[in-house]
Amino acid sequence: EAGVAQSPRYKIIEKRQSVAFWCNPISGHATLYWYQQILGQGPKLLIQFQNNGVVDDSQLPKDRFSAERLKGVDSTLKIQPAKLEDSAVYLCASSLDPALLAGNLEQYFGPGTRLTVT
Amino acid sequence: AQSVAQPEDQVNVAEGNPLTVKCTYSVSGNPYLFWYVQYPNRGLQFLLKYITGDNLVKGSYGFEAEFNKSQTSFHLKKPSALVSDSALYFCAVRDLMSFKTIFGAGTRLFVKA
Repeated sequence: EAGVAQSPRYKIIEKRQSVAFWCNPISGHATLYWYQQILGQGPKLLIQFQNNGVVDDSQLPKDRFSAERLKGVDSTLKIQPAKLEDSAVYLCASSLDPALLAGNLEQYFGPGTRLTVT
Repeated sequence: AQSVAQPEDQVNVAEGNPLTVKCTYSVSGNPYLFWYVQYPNRGLQFLLKYITGDNLVKGSYGFEAEFNKSQTSFHLKKPSALVSDSALYFCAVRDLMSFKTIFGAGTRLFVKA
């Protein structure tokens, strides 16, 4: 079974520039998550999709961050314009479908995209 | 509001000795609890979970965790540590009302040969 794919793996941009990250979840997984992981901290949920609908985006800085999951499969996360404090690893994860069975709640993570804003 | 605390930034153990990585949580209602491991330059990997049932749950790589409702804890354990267990470990709790998963800050485990 192929895992969660993310690209790019690394990105360096200057502040005020824009950047986009891509995620392809495990086939058949209905739920997709984007997390921000700042060095030395645990992952912080930015947005959670159930199929192509947003379940939670309460911690997404909507003035600069946006995300979409067209057709309920792939997803993109965009930052425009970037700030220095956006430097972090952006993790994408997917899970089968928490609405169906409690046993399907575990998340499978991609390798992450390390963003450096200079 | 739900929260997760991992009181130790780092845990050091000798290879062959038992290890414990601590986690306490706060959540309304019954918790769904998880442990994940992060190896260098890799994404997080699921280790084990507690949903309901037996308080002692077993997971990957010989790890287990004990759910203690009265102490609101979910400590990760392994009877005999390996050098290859050295990694960053995250405890997480899922709120059944909001569907949101909250991660702890992580504990770095260092196993010395």
